Amino acid sequence: SQQGEEDPQALSIQEGENATMNCSYKTSINNLQWYRQNSGRGLVHLILIRSNEREKHSGRLRVTLDTSKKSSSLLITASRAADTASYFCATVRTAMDTGRRALTFGSGTRLQVQP
Amino acid sequence: NAGVTQTPKFQVLKTGQSMTLQCAQDMNHEYMSWYRQDPGMGLRLIHYSVGAGITDQGEVPNGYNVSRSTTEDFPLRLLSAAPSQTSVYFCASSTGTGVGNQPQHFGDGTRLSIL
Repeated sequence: SQQGEEDPQALSIQEGENATMNCSYKTSINNLQWYRQNSGRGLVHLILIRSNEREKHSGRLRVTLDTSKKSSSLLITASRAADTASYFCATVRTAMDTGRRALTFGSGTRLQVQP
Repeated sequence: NAGVTQTPKFQVLKTGQSMTLQCAQDMNHEYMSWYRQDPGMGLRLIHYSVGAGITDQGEVPNGYNVSRSTTEDFPLRLLSAAPSQTSVYFCASSTGTGVGNQPQHFGDGTRLSIL
């Protein structure tokens, strides 16, 4: 199963509104990353938040991390049509059988911002 | 600055054929990786490399080979294509050698269909 899971799976809002996406994970982490993927393109890194940080800002983006609840949220304020994309969280998961570590992505939240 | 370049962008293969997906980065990154992305799912790690001459398996390595003879290039080989390998393949790179400790830079993907 996925280490990180985003919620909701899809979100449709009007331009100017705020968008909040959540990510839950199962095991302890060193950091958590958020990425954006525009249709037909590769993923673009947005923010990396470390386990000893509770909140981080980048422009209109705000990421929070609650390690006690094993969850993170991504808030996009004053959304624009250009924010239409899929958003993924990513954490490192260690396979119990092999011990191999992998950066694991959730299945994403598809955000549609209506002009 | 080109970043991460993947070729080809699209490819159609017949079952049993072999091919190599190319990935090159010009950022002198030590860490490179290959992911596949299937509809409605997150990315799954196939193979990764922490430097020239060093590779390791990710979550879904079966049916794929990699090598890393230079820092810049990290090709992915499909040995005998199967319909289950129909997917979008992404190459990524980052500084450092620790899995998931740094932001990943992604290429725009190779869309592969196996008939």
